[in-house]
Amino acid sequence: DAGVTQSPTHLIKTRGQQVTLRCSPKSGHDTVSWYQQALGQGPQFIFQYYEEEERQRGNFPDRFSGHQFPNYSSELNVNALLLGDSALYLCASSLPQGGTEAFFGQGTRLTVV
Amino acid sequence: QQQVKQSPQSLIVQKGGISIINCAYENTAFDYFPWYQQFPGKGPALLIAIRPDVSEKKEGRFTISFNKSAKQFSLHIMDSQPGDSATYFCAASKGYSTLTFGKGTMLLVSP
Repeated sequence: DAGVTQSPTHLIKTRGQQVTLRCSPKSGHDTVSWYQQALGQGPQFIFQYYEEEERQRGNFPDRFSGHQFPNYSSELNVNALLLGDSALYLCASSLPQGGTEAFFGQGTRLTVV
Repeated sequence: QQQVKQSPQSLIVQKGGISIINCAYENTAFDYFPWYQQFPGKGPALLIAIRPDVSEKKEGRFTISFNKSAKQFSLHIMDSQPGDSATYFCAASKGYSTLTFGKGTMLLVSP
């Protein structure tokens, strides 16, 4: 049973560019959440998708957007990249009921230069 | 506003010793309190979790103690091993599994 898979694993982008990160949830999971983890910090919630809709959103600007596909996979898009967007981006999948275990992928390390 | 405060920031424990990491939360609506373990270059992995209707949960060498009135919970790692060296995050959530994380504790278990 494959867990949560994310691609790519590493990415280098130039300030001002746009980036798309991808996530496939664990088998049987239909809820996908995205987190940003800056170096030396805990993950920060970006947004959550369920039934192809954004269900909840954290305190992130509109430059951060997402999408969920009918097969439950998801994309995170970041426009107009800033140096401060450099971080590990984590995808987590879970069942939609509250308080259930969230399984994390290995993350995508984004470096903005 | 940091809703989950974690301490200490780093911890060095001798092999065989007890590692203790503490967290405090502010939002009384939180109803799920997991601990995650993260190795360098990897995503966080669930270690153990507790709900507020119990005061303690033990799984192997890992124990969560929960104090609802004080809004605090802690992770105890008994018989700490070098392989336990990692960063540990406490978290809390309510509703649909959106987690609020602490800032993490870097644990080093010396041989």
